[in-house]
Amino acid sequence: QLQLQESGPGLVKPSETLSLTCTVSGGSITNYYCSWIRQSAGKGLEWIGHIHTSGSMRYKPSLQSRVAMSVDTSNNRFSLKLSAVTAADTAIYYCARAREEIVVESAALGGDYYYYFYYMDVWGTGTTVTVSS
Amino acid sequence: DIQMTQSPSTLSASVGDRVTIACRASQSISRWLAWYQQKPGKAPKLLIYKASSLESGVPSRFSGSGSETEFTLTISSLQPDDFATYYCQQYYSFSSFGPGTKVDIK
Repeated sequence: QLQLQESGPGLVKPSETLSLTCTVSGGSITNYYCSWIRQSAGKGLEWIGHIHTSGSMRYKPSLQSRVAMSVDTSNNRFSLKLSAVTAADTAIYYCARAREEIVVESAALGGDYYYYFYYMDVWGTGTTVTVSS
Repeated sequence: DIQMTQSPSTLSASVGDRVTIACRASQSISRWLAWYQQKPGKAPKLLIYKASSLESGVPSRFSGSGSETEFTLTISSLQPDDFATYYCQQYYSFSSFGPGTKVDIK
C-alpha cells in the first residue's frame, strides 16, 4: 500500500528557506507526480505545485518565484524548497500523489492537442511548519 | 485564478439525513472537480473526481454531480463516520480549493 511521509524542520526563521522531503514507500515512484499542498487557518488548502519523476514541474503562479521542487528517484523521495518565508507560510504541509488525466482533441487542420489534468489521490500525513524568529 | 466557493460553511445534520453541499467555480471548469473529506488532525481523503466519479473504496452513499460552474456533493444517508469537513477542488487551471463545509451533529 502506497504511503507518503513528509519530514523536515518544524520551525523556520523569517527570510530563510523552508525545506521538506516526501518519502514514498510501498511502491515505485516511476512515472509518478508528487503534489505539494499546504493548509493554514488563514488560507485554507492551497496547492503549491507538482513535479514528475522526469523532472517536469508546475508551480502555483503566485508562489513560483520562491518555490523549487526536486526528485530523487534512487531514494523514492521528493523535495520542496520555499525561500524567503514569512509568517504567512506557517502551515501544515502535505505531499500527495497526483493522478493524471489526459484529454486528446483533434485539431481542425490535423494533429492533436493534449490537455493534462491532475488531482490528488493519496496523501501524506502532513508536517507542521512554523515560521518564527 | 479560479476562485471556489462552498455553501453552507457549516451544516448540522443527523444520522440518516440526506446531505447536500454546493460548490461554485468563478469560471467554467468543465467537470474537472474533486471532492475530499477531512477529519481533525488527518489529511484530506479523495471521495469524488471528475465531478461524479466515485473513488475506489468510497461508500456509494457519496455522489457528485454538476458541470461548468455549479457542483454538488450528496451523502444519501449520513453515517456517524461522515461527520467531517468537505472540500471541493478544481483542477482545470492549476488547482484551487473551496473553503470547506463542516458537517456536524445536530
